[in-house]
Amino acid sequence: EAGVAQSPRYKIIEKRQSVAFWCNPISGHATLYWYQQILGQGPKLLIQFQNNGVVDDSQLPKDRFSAERLKGVDSTLKIQPAKLEDSAVYLCASSRPQGLAGVGSYNEQFFGPGTRLTVL
Amino acid sequence: AQSVSQHNHHVILSEAASLELGCNYSYGGTVNLFWYVQYPGQHLQLLLKYFSGDPLVKGIKGFEAEFIKSKFSFNLRKPSVQWSDTAEYFCAVNAYSGAGSYQLTFGKGTKLSVIP
Repeated sequence: EAGVAQSPRYKIIEKRQSVAFWCNPISGHATLYWYQQILGQGPKLLIQFQNNGVVDDSQLPKDRFSAERLKGVDSTLKIQPAKLEDSAVYLCASSRPQGLAGVGSYNEQFFGPGTRLTVL
Repeated sequence: AQSVSQHNHHVILSEAASLELGCNYSYGGTVNLFWYVQYPGQHLQLLLKYFSGDPLVKGIKGFEAEFIKSKFSFNLRKPSVQWSDTAEYFCAVNAYSGAGSYQLTFGKGTKLSVIP
């Protein structure tokens, strides 16, 4: 079974430029997540999709970050304009559909290799 | 909102030494608890998980963790580490986020270096 694919693996941009990351989840996984991992910290959830609908984007800085999953499969995360503090690894993860009936309905998340973004 | 704290930033051990990595969380309701591992150059992957039942859970590669509800702790242990255990270890909690979904919250991670 192929894992979660992400591209590019590395990206260097200057502040105020735009950047986009792509994620292809594991086949059949309806739920897709984007995380931001700043150096020295654990991953922080930015946005969660179930199929092509947003479940949780409470921690997404919506003034500069946007994400979409138009056909319920691939997803893109965009930053426009980038700031120095956006330098981080952006991780995509996917899982079977997450139930909302409680923690007992949790399905394991599988992570991609990440995209390392450096903003100069 | 829930939070997770990991006690050690970097742990250095010799091969065959015993390992215990601390993890405490803050959340008043029901949680799922996880340890993830990231080997050098590899993806983040699940090491073990606790949902309910026996508070002592066993994972891959000889790792185990004990959930102590009264202490809000989920410490990771291994009786004898190997050089191949060199990695970064993340504790994570799945709990209701208050924004209509269940959210996985990670600690800052503990880097483990095992010296041959």
